[in-house]
Amino acid sequence: QQQVKQSPQSLIVQKGGISIINCAYENTAFDYFPWYQQFPGKGPALLIAIRPDVSEKKEGRFTISFNKSAKQFSLHIMDSQPGDSATYFCAASKDTDKLIFGTGTRLQVFP
Amino acid sequence: KAGVTQTPRYLIKTRGQQVTLSCSPISGHRSVSWYQQTPGQGLQFLFEYFSETQRNKGNFPGRFSGRQFSNSRSEMNVSTLELGDSALYLCASSLYGANTEAFFGQGTRLTVV
Repeated sequence: QQQVKQSPQSLIVQKGGISIINCAYENTAFDYFPWYQQFPGKGPALLIAIRPDVSEKKEGRFTISFNKSAKQFSLHIMDSQPGDSATYFCAASKDTDKLIFGTGTRLQVFP
Repeated sequence: KAGVTQTPRYLIKTRGQQVTLSCSPISGHRSVSWYQQTPGQGLQFLFEYFSETQRNKGNFPGRFSGRQFSNSRSEMNVSTLELGDSALYLCASSLYGANTEAFFGQGTRLTVV
């Protein structure tokens, strides 16, 4: 019930393409869904986050799509760039409880 | 505005020793959470401190402990180190807790030999 399942484990995309990473959760009490980006040797950096009262949130080239009934949310990276190559983590939490992280997706964007 | 600062960045310790890691959160943030990151287990929650009190705890043995000071700085201690404790230890600060924006430090890379 506390798990967040993330897929795919790794993703290779050509420059200019769309990267899509998916996450699924079981606990319907989760009310906060952030995405983090992590480069090697660095801590995760908050990219974008959504709450269940909206179905989509867009910030620049990054979009979260949220499907409450399916208990799924996804990250879309439009016009992917080599600089986007990193590991991406989805996460979920309820109230002030801990963040539960997905297992991560290693994205490689080739020129 | 300064980010989250973790010290030291790297540590090498011997099995059986103990270690203390430090985290200075963003000014004004009252919540500090600690995570262990390993290639096999991903990001695992250790504990969270809010206004000097432990508010949440993960499923780690009692060898892992922490505390938070009145200035919100936090320390994490691991006693009787095991080889399996080798990991990147990350702290995250936020205003009120997990469902508000959490900002991570660069982590402390602990190697146990």
